[in-house]
Amino acid sequence: EAQVTQNPRYLITVTGKKLTVTCSQNMNHEYMSWYRQDPGLGLRQIYYSMNVEVTDKGDVPEGYKVSRKEKRNFPLILESPSPNQTSLYFCASSLFSPGTGNYGYTFGSGTRLTVV
Amino acid sequence: GESVGLHLPTLSVQEGDNSIINCAYSNSASDYFIWYKQESGKGPQFIIDIRSNMDKRQGQRVTVLLNKTVKHLSLQIAATQPGDSAVYFCAESPGGYQKVTFGTGTKLQVIP
Repeated sequence: EAQVTQNPRYLITVTGKKLTVTCSQNMNHEYMSWYRQDPGLGLRQIYYSMNVEVTDKGDVPEGYKVSRKEKRNFPLILESPSPNQTSLYFCASSLFSPGTGNYGYTFGSGTRLTVV
Repeated sequence: GESVGLHLPTLSVQEGDNSIINCAYSNSASDYFIWYKQESGKGPQFIIDIRSNMDKRQGQRVTVLLNKTVKHLSLQIAATQPGDSAVYFCAESPGGYQKVTFGTGTKLQVIP
């Protein structure tokens, strides 16, 4: 089944403790992206990657890192999480850029992160 | 399931009626538009898309209308069913490798 898989689904952590949220897609998509979703603010892009070893900042990159060493994986790293990073996070992939058509994004099921 | 928004505009529709969800977009350069559906506890799911050279596109039970003059997009769902209850997002992009911008969403509640 074609899908984007992200783990974990739920995570509670403490301020400052490094964490990684994994994302993997099995559709050979070139473009991958991370979004956070907060009430009243919709989906905001954190980072995106147009291909292996090519990443760039989205609208809200502060406090996050990403890497794209392989086409299928695009982990999101929080080096020192803070409470304002408590959010619902989505990984998404697209065959090419989602703005080129081809049905836009395929999203993962989300990761609910709570930083205390 | 996960809550995606506490203050979303909400549309309540009787089962079997048609639903119309509206979206105003801001970028006059936007060339590509998508509607996504997000059910509780899940990620957004593609419904239908449309390019700026069209003003209407139909899918299965859904129709998207685009009015570029007033920068307005709408999603029509025919014969709304309980399974249509979800949050609906519009998204726009100038196309190519320029970014996709999402709206804040509308919650559709279907009354049995």
